[in-house]
Amino acid sequence: DIQLTQSPSFLSASVGDRVTITCRASQGIGSFLAWYQQKPGKAPSLLIHTASTLQSGVPSRFSGSGSGTEFSLTISSLQPEDFATYYCQVLTGYPRTFGQGTKVEI
Amino acid sequence: EVQLVQSGVEVRKPGESLKISCQGSGYSFVKYWISWVRQVPGKGLEWMGIIYPDDSDTRYSPSFQGQVTISVDKSINTAYLQWDSLRASDTAIYYCARRAVYSSQGSDYWGQGSLVIVSS
Repeated sequence: DIQLTQSPSFLSASVGDRVTITCRASQGIGSFLAWYQQKPGKAPSLLIHTASTLQSGVPSRFSGSGSGTEFSLTISSLQPEDFATYYCQVLTGYPRTFGQGTKVEI
Repeated sequence: EVQLVQSGVEVRKPGESLKISCQGSGYSFVKYWISWVRQVPGKGLEWMGIIYPDDSDTRYSPSFQGQVTISVDKSINTAYLQWDSLRASDTAIYYCARRAVYSSQGSDYWGQGSLVIVSS
């Protein structure tokens, strides 16, 4: 199974900050990675797929990069509605493992 | 409008059986894989398995193989997650999610979640 390790697990930031979350895969997965945002009491929502493609309707302050084993999600200017938990997910092979999550707090 | 609507809160005792549902609408249900994801309250997301409604091709995570059954009734556009004998550790929110057309595109639509509480 492919393991995903996110860092950091918790991140304290302020409105307007540039924030980067990293996801490391235990073996190469090409660009088969997605990022999701989850707010308390809500289902996850897709932000980025194919490592760097912005899902339709997602603000352009979100961006993804990386390939192989190292990936990152960047929020260029943190907005109040961005305080949430973020997960990466591998999209090749089975199981389609999620990272352990990164909680972005004020 | 694409929607995945899940069944509601379920409360069961340990050892009881349960089947929760996820009904899709607004798209060709049989042509998109449906996955199930577990979230224990306060914890992260765990991928359980996936089914292709058109032919019921199903894949499970090793962590959940033999513990649950994923099925589908394509005549009513509904996917199911089933337990034969629940444990307290099955208490969680369960989400269904539609895989986009291509695997690399992730899960683009999610149900609202079904809360399962297992307690004596």
